Amino acid sequence: DQQVKQNSPSLSVQEGRISILNCDYTNSMFDYFLWYKKYPAEGPTFLISISSIKDKNEDGRFTVFLNKSAKHLSLHIVPSQPGDSAVYFCAAAPTESGTYKYIFGTGTRLKVLA
Amino acid sequence: DSGVTQTPKHLITATGQRVTLRCSPRSGDLSVYWYQQSLDQGLQFLIQYYNGEERAKGNILERFSAQQFPDLHSELNLSSLELGDSALYFCASSVEASSTDTQYFGPGTRLTVL
Repeated sequence: DQQVKQNSPSLSVQEGRISILNCDYTNSMFDYFLWYKKYPAEGPTFLISISSIKDKNEDGRFTVFLNKSAKHLSLHIVPSQPGDSAVYFCAAAPTESGTYKYIFGTGTRLKVLA
Repeated sequence: DSGVTQTPKHLITATGQRVTLRCSPRSGDLSVYWYQQSLDQGLQFLIQYYNGEERAKGNILERFSAQQFPDLHSELNLSSLELGDSALYFCASSVEASSTDTQYFGPGTRLTVL
């Protein structure tokens, strides 16, 4: 049972345009969400997070939007750069349950075309 | 560089064998997490240790075990290996054990079981 879903395995975007990566979750206990970026032969790198008390969090070119009613979050990258080409994973965690694990999606491979 | 180190980078072994993967967390981090990433899958949480004690358990097989030593490094032991155990194994660390503590990932160990 995939509790965190990234339905687009890949995405191609022109340099300078906006990249939008989507993530859906099913467990209403999730209240903390993160995005990680992964380059080949490296471990995932933390990008940005958002708590369920917010609906938007911004860090430079990266903005995460959270729609709790739809159980949906998205990562916007503006403007996209060739160096952003990587696999992006969203992750979710329930902060109140006493468990400390992240549940990851299967990732979306972003390719930014120069 | 996340500051989390994992050895070895690559491991090739045969079915039925036993291997040990090693992880050194970032300086000052007390929590260590182990994840498995099989082909085209997201990262699956295996187990978490905090300051030497097991804190949370995921879908870890009985053939797998882990421990965290007094110097806070951790080892993941995989025994009676099967072909399906071939995967990338990531270690992550965080300062504390809360879900909202950012987890920093190592570069991973690629295990191939022949």
